[in-house]
Amino acid sequence: KAGVTQTPRYLIKTRGQQVTLSCSPISGHRSVSWYQQTPGQGLQFLFEYFSETQRNKGNFPGRFSGRQFSNSRSEMNVSTLELGDSALYLCASSGVTSGVYNEQFFGPGTRLTVL
Amino acid sequence: GIQVEQSPPDLILQEGANSTLRCNFSDSVNNLQWFHQNPWGQLINLFYIPSGTKQNGRLSATTVATERYSLLYISSSQTTDSGVYFCAVEGSWQAGTALIFGKGTTLSVSS
Repeated sequence: KAGVTQTPRYLIKTRGQQVTLSCSPISGHRSVSWYQQTPGQGLQFLFEYFSETQRNKGNFPGRFSGRQFSNSRSEMNVSTLELGDSALYLCASSGVTSGVYNEQFFGPGTRLTVL
Repeated sequence: GIQVEQSPPDLILQEGANSTLRCNFSDSVNNLQWFHQNPWGQLINLFYIPSGTKQNGRLSATTVATERYSLLYISSSQTTDSGVYFCAVEGSWQAGTALIFGKGTTLSVSS
């Protein structure tokens, strides 16, 4: 069974630009979550989508947004990039596996550098 | 919100040694997971363990939900065990999924 995939793996942008990251969950998983990892703040929850609806949102500014498609694939968008947005962005999916519905499985991440 | 504290922050071992990593959390949880982050950044699932005890090879974990802590045991450490270990939880009140992570324990195993 294929794992969570994320594209692109690496990205370099300049301040003020916007960026879109993509995540394909494990087949059959309907929940997709996004996390940001930085050396200073550690791993922080951004938002979660389930059946195309945002179900949870972390404490991030409105520049961070996302969406989920009918096939459960998800995208997150960051507008007006700031230097502090440089981070590893991780996507996770969860679904019913062996009776456990909320165990999360992570993709390899997208490393974003903002210059 | 729920607080997650991991200890120790850093651990240096010789190959073959055993270690115990601890995770304390401040509220009742319906999900607790242990992860190992590899050098490329990917989080590898070790255990899904909101309560009870599990073992997988040289690794085992125990969560005592009533006392709000979890322990990860690594026996006979190997250099490939090096990396950062994270504990992450979801509060019982949490709708949907939203893991709260600890700051991690950085393990270095030398040969």
